[in-house]
Amino acid sequence: AQKVTQAQTEISVVEKEDVTLDCVYETRDTTYYLFWYKQPPSGELVFLIRRNSFDEQNEISGRYSWNFQKSTSSFNFTITASQVVDSAVYFCALNNYGQNFVFGPGTRLSVLP
Amino acid sequence: GAVVSQHPSWVICKSGTSVKIECRSLDFQATTMFWYRQFPKKSLMLMATSNEGSKATYEQGVEKDKFLINHASLTLSTLTVTSAHPEDSSFYICSARDPGLLGEQYFGPGTRLTVT
Repeated sequence: AQKVTQAQTEISVVEKEDVTLDCVYETRDTTYYLFWYKQPPSGELVFLIRRNSFDEQNEISGRYSWNFQKSTSSFNFTITASQVVDSAVYFCALNNYGQNFVFGPGTRLSVLP
Repeated sequence: GAVVSQHPSWVICKSGTSVKIECRSLDFQATTMFWYRQFPKKSLMLMATSNEGSKATYEQGVEKDKFLINHASLTLSTLTVTSAHPEDSSFYICSARDPGLLGEQYFGPGTRLTVT
């Protein structure tokens, strides 16, 4: 069975602080994809990143960066110099080719001005 | 990127009535679509897998007679909540799989259902 764990239920930071959201996953598949989505109050899921299980390179996109470590089954997400607009619920998710997503419980991030 | 739409974006209905939610893939043909439900402050949980031209596959605990899914065309899947009750109030999100792009999936914007 597949499972995604996000240990942090809620995080509060002050603007300009860096924040890391943790994600640990479980799967027996050798090929899988990992994702991060942002869900603002409107509810629509905003795609942030997709990572193939064979690609362990870390990725940086602007203020966002992701650290994928297969050895610990973790796919952590860091926001550098956080902004109020980053406030949202963030979901880590897992799927295999063409299959349904398995979502973590989500981390609610509040960035205070 | 590919676009998936949902209609309506929100709906309020009275207890006992039925509500239909549409999920459309706008620029690709989706042989498979997925329906998820999200209760307030909770995560998204898979309800069912919808395959074009065949019966949907429901997850354990999801009543197939209550949540009717029809995937009559390659661009449209519908979820009908029959005899809705207040406990069915939730956020319903669909995703559509593009068969031509390594199985990439795209989420619709969601439908917020409130049953009074």
